[in-house]
Amino acid sequence: DAGVIQSPRHEVTEMGQEVTLRCKPISGHDYLFWYRQTMMRGLELLIYFNNNVPIDDSGMPEDRFSAKMPNASFSTLKIQPSEPRDSAVYFCASRTQGAGAFFGQGTRLTVV
Amino acid sequence: QQQVKQSPQSLIVQKGGISIINCAYENTAFDYFPWYQQFPGKGPALLIAIRPDVSEKKEGRFTISFNKSAKQFSLHIMDSQPGDSATYFCAALVRGNTPLVFGKGTRLSVIA
Repeated sequence: DAGVIQSPRHEVTEMGQEVTLRCKPISGHDYLFWYRQTMMRGLELLIYFNNNVPIDDSGMPEDRFSAKMPNASFSTLKIQPSEPRDSAVYFCASRTQGAGAFFGQGTRLTVV
Repeated sequence: QQQVKQSPQSLIVQKGGISIINCAYENTAFDYFPWYQQFPGKGPALLIAIRPDVSEKKEGRFTISFNKSAKQFSLHIMDSQPGDSATYFCAALVRGNTPLVFGKGTRLSVIA
């Protein structure tokens, strides 16, 4: 398996623009997580899905953030409109129940 | 969110020495304790994990020691090498449908 695949690897956008981050989890994994990593706050859980259903989105910072998982092999995290404080590295991770999560390479988002 | 406390925040070790990173938790329902290793520009990678029914797990130069009564666990890196320089995260999970809870991370530098 190729592991968790995220795209794009880097994204630079202007404030106010819409940003969409993409994730392909490991086949057979039924949990998918979106994390954000910054120097100040470390790894923050934004939202996670089980069997494509959102379970907990309490970590989503604002209504500007939304996530979807239309099928078992694809998820998106959207920010609309983006702001400079959204600049961070966004990670997608997947796992099966009771096991450790496997992370993608991340998307480094810069909002200018 | 349940907390996992990690120390130290940063660590400098001489090549060939032993690196020790400690974590403490409060939730006695945690039953899976992984450690992640993250290199700059990469996603966290699962390094080694332990369940509370054993007190120690060793994989190569990496060992987890687990103290259930003290609610503490630690990562030991024997014969530390410059290539081990990375950020290490401890984490904990309640078996089932909860996400991993991460420590804040330890930045390890192994110097020659």
